[in-house]
Parts: sequence; structure tokens; C-alpha cells
Amino acid sequence: DIQLTQSPSSLSASVGDGVTITCRASQSVRTYLNWYQQKPGKAPKLLIYEASSLQSGVPSRFTGSGSGTDFTLSISSLQPEDFATYYCQQSYGAPRTFGQGTKVEIK
Amino acid sequence: QVQLVESGGGVVQPGRSLRLSCEASGFTFSSHAVHWVRQAPGKGLEWVAVIWSDGTSEYSADSVKGRFTISRDNSKNTLYLDMNSLKAEDTALYFCARDSSLEMCPEGVCYILDYWGQGTLVAVSS
Repeated sequence: DIQLTQSPSSLSASVGDGVTITCRASQSVRTYLNWYQQKPGKAPKLLIYEASSLQSGVPSRFTGSGSGTDFTLSISSLQPEDFATYYCQQSYGAPRTFGQGTKVEIK
Repeated sequence: QVQLVESGGGVVQPGRSLRLSCEASGFTFSSHAVHWVRQAPGKGLEWVAVIWSDGTSEYSADSVKGRFTISRDNSKNTLYLDMNSLKAEDTALYFCARDSSLEMCPEGVCYILDYWGQGTLVAVSS
């Protein structure tokens, strides 16, 4: 199975800060890497697909980059609604696995 | 608007069975593959199973293979998950999710989950 390791596991930041979350795959997934946001008690929401494509309706402050084994999700200026847990997911090899999540908390 | 509504969760004893349903609306259900994903309490996301748009193929995670069966009825816009021989470790919130089924993906299955339901809770306990 392809393992996805996210770092950090959690971070504290203030409204207006820029943050970056990293996802590292145990083997190449080319650009088949997606990012989801999940708020407590809610369903996950697709943010970025295929490493860098912004899902319709998602604010442009979210950007994804990377290929192969190393990927990043960046939020340029945190808004109050961005405090949540973020998951990466690879859609390259079976089984399609998720990272363990990164919780973004208010400082 | 796209909606996915799960039902059928509950408390069940180990070894028993349960059937989950997911009713879809707001899109052409028969044009999209659909998935089940679960989340144990306080834990991360785990992909469970997928079924092709026409129901001709399905795949499941090793952790549920041989115990869980995914199926669909396109005439009813409904996805199912039949869960047998339930174990305590199957306790989780079960989400159904639509595959984006973009044209360039092999057999129309991208494993990009673009819409999710709110989930139904399954608790396996004696």
C-alpha cells in the first residue's frame, strides 16, 4: 500500500497568516494527489485535485503543488472558516489511501 | 444541487449484519462511480469500497473484503453497503461519496471524491 505522511500533524496560526501543509508519499503517485478539508461533525470537502487543480467554488487562497512523492497545500491568508483538519489522498494506486490529517487551529 | 443522504446505521452486536443506504439526487447517478469511506471516532479517513457507474465492477479495501459488499440500484438512485460479520473495529461514521468520473479517467473512475454525504454512524458493540 502507498503510505501518505502529512506534516505537521497540527499547527496553530492566526487569521491572516499563510500556512503550508506537506504530504509525502512512500512511492511516486505522479500528480494523482488530492486535498480535502473537514470541519468537526461535517463531511470532508474536496479542495484540490490532481495536485494543483482547484475544485470549483474553492477560494483561490488555497493552492496545491508537487509531483512524485512530495506535495504541499498552501493557504495564503487564513480566514476564520479555514480552521479545520486537512487530508491528502492519493488516487494513483490501490488501495487509494489518505494521509493521517493535519489539524489547523486558531492561535 | 448534489445531495447524498446515508441511512441505516445503528448499534449492532459483533458478528451481526447491517445494510447501509445512500440516496443520491441533483445529478445523473448512473453516470458516476460512487464510494464508501469511513472514519472511526477521533480518527482519520479510510477508503472502504467503490462501484463503477454501471455496477459492473467493484473493489473494496482488504480490511472489509469478503465481509462487506457494495452495490447500487441506478433505477432508485441508491448506493448500498451490506456489512456482514461485523467487528468492533468496524465502528465508524460511514460516508458515501461521488466520484468525479472525469472523462480522462480510466473507465470513468478517478478516485477524486467531489461530493460527500453527512454520514451514518455504525457502532459494533456487545
